[in-house]
Amino acid sequence: GAVVSQHPSRVICKSGTSVKIECRSLDFQATTMFWYRQFPKQSLMLMATSNEGSKATYEQGVEKDKFLINHASLTLSTLTVTSAHPEDSSFYICSASGGGYTQYFGPGTRLTVL
Amino acid sequence: DQQVKQNSPSLSVQEGRISILNCDYTNSMFDYFLWYKKYPAEGPTFLISISSIKDKNEDGRFTVFLNKSAKHLSLHIVPSQPGDSAVYFCAASVQEYGNKLVFGAGTILRVKS
Repeated sequence: GAVVSQHPSRVICKSGTSVKIECRSLDFQATTMFWYRQFPKQSLMLMATSNEGSKATYEQGVEKDKFLINHASLTLSTLTVTSAHPEDSSFYICSASGGGYTQYFGPGTRLTVL
Repeated sequence: DQQVKQNSPSLSVQEGRISILNCDYTNSMFDYFLWYKKYPAEGPTFLISISSIKDKNEDGRFTVFLNKSAKHLSLHIVPSQPGDSAVYFCAASVQEYGNKLVFGAGTILRVKS
């Protein structure tokens, strides 16, 4: 149980384009989903927290207009990187929680912006 | 300010022996602690957790110990297996903060056969 999927696993895009990443909880209802970013050899950095049906809460320093988050249902959240630039290249990971402390993570999405 | 610290960037252990991964924290409001295992280019996998009202939790080969007075927790893996080689992250949470996780920097564990 507690499986979270992410799609796509890898995406390469041109500078200036937008990229959407999907995060799904496959076997449980995720009341809260989290989006993280990981730079090489660094820890996971929380970007935002989203609850189903409400606006996401962004961490300090994360541009909400650049990283659009939609948590439309209890099993799906999306992160859209708008007008992507090379510095947005990173490993993006989502996690989902069914209401408790434990977060279950997706496999991650490697974004490369050329 | 790093609230969760994993001071050992790496650890090397012989197969069959015990692996001990350490984690220190500074925020006394943390009330739940978790350990995750991560392979490169994959998401973290939940291993084991412990509430601040306990001092030990065991699940198979994995045991987590919590010393609240020292603000220290450790993960014991015994016996260690080559498949345990990965990055281990310690994470802490406060219910008041909406159960957001604060992660340590991670420790690379290498189990040699």
